[in-house]
Amino acid sequence: DIQMTQSPSSLSASLGDRVTITCQANHEISTSLNWYQQKPGKAPYLLIYDASSLDTGVPSRFSGSGSGTDFTFTISSLQPEDIATYYCQQYDGLPITFGQGTRLEIK
Amino acid sequence: QLQLQESGPGLVRASQTLSLTCAVSGDSISSGSFYWSWIRQPAGKGLEWIGRIDFSGNTDYNPSLKSRVTFSVDTSKNQFSLKLSSVTAADTAVYFCAKEVDYFDGSVSPEHHYHYMDVWGKGTTVTVSS
Repeated sequence: DIQMTQSPSSLSASLGDRVTITCQANHEISTSLNWYQQKPGKAPYLLIYDASSLDTGVPSRFSGSGSGTDFTFTISSLQPEDIATYYCQQYDGLPITFGQGTRLEIK
Repeated sequence: QLQLQESGPGLVRASQTLSLTCAVSGDSISSGSFYWSWIRQPAGKGLEWIGRIDFSGNTDYNPSLKSRVTFSVDTSKNQFSLKLSSVTAADTAVYFCAKEVDYFDGSVSPEHHYHYMDVWGKGTTVTVSS
């Protein structure tokens, strides 16, 4: 299985801050990486696919970059509705695997 | 607008079989080159992909669960199902169904692989009791 390691596991930031989460794969996965947002009690929600493509309707303050083994997810200006847990997910090989998640809180 | 809804018993006895169904509404389960997936999440923990099935019944299972999992699809009812046998407390989780988009774009060179889960059910909690 391809292992995905996210960091940090939790993050506290102020409204308006720039927030960055990283995801590292233990094998080269090209750009075969997605990012999801999950709010408490809800299903995950696709934000970014193919490492850097914003899904339809997702605010432009969200962005992703990277290829190979190292990936970055960024929120340019943290909003109250962004409080959630964020997961990366690889699809270069089966089984599909997720990072362990990054819990984002307001400072 | 495509919607997914999980259903099934919320409580299953240990060693028994967990059975869940995901009803698809808003479009036919047979339309498009999609996969229909199951993902689970123990309380307070991360996401685990259980596997997927297409409308023809082709399956991919997570090797960690493959010996205990069976997927099926019923195109007449527009739904797909999960059976997980010999359950233990470790199978207690919220179970989600999702639509997987998975395709290769041959218009670029080299061809590019796209995959994402863009529609999810709300999830159903299953507790395994001893």
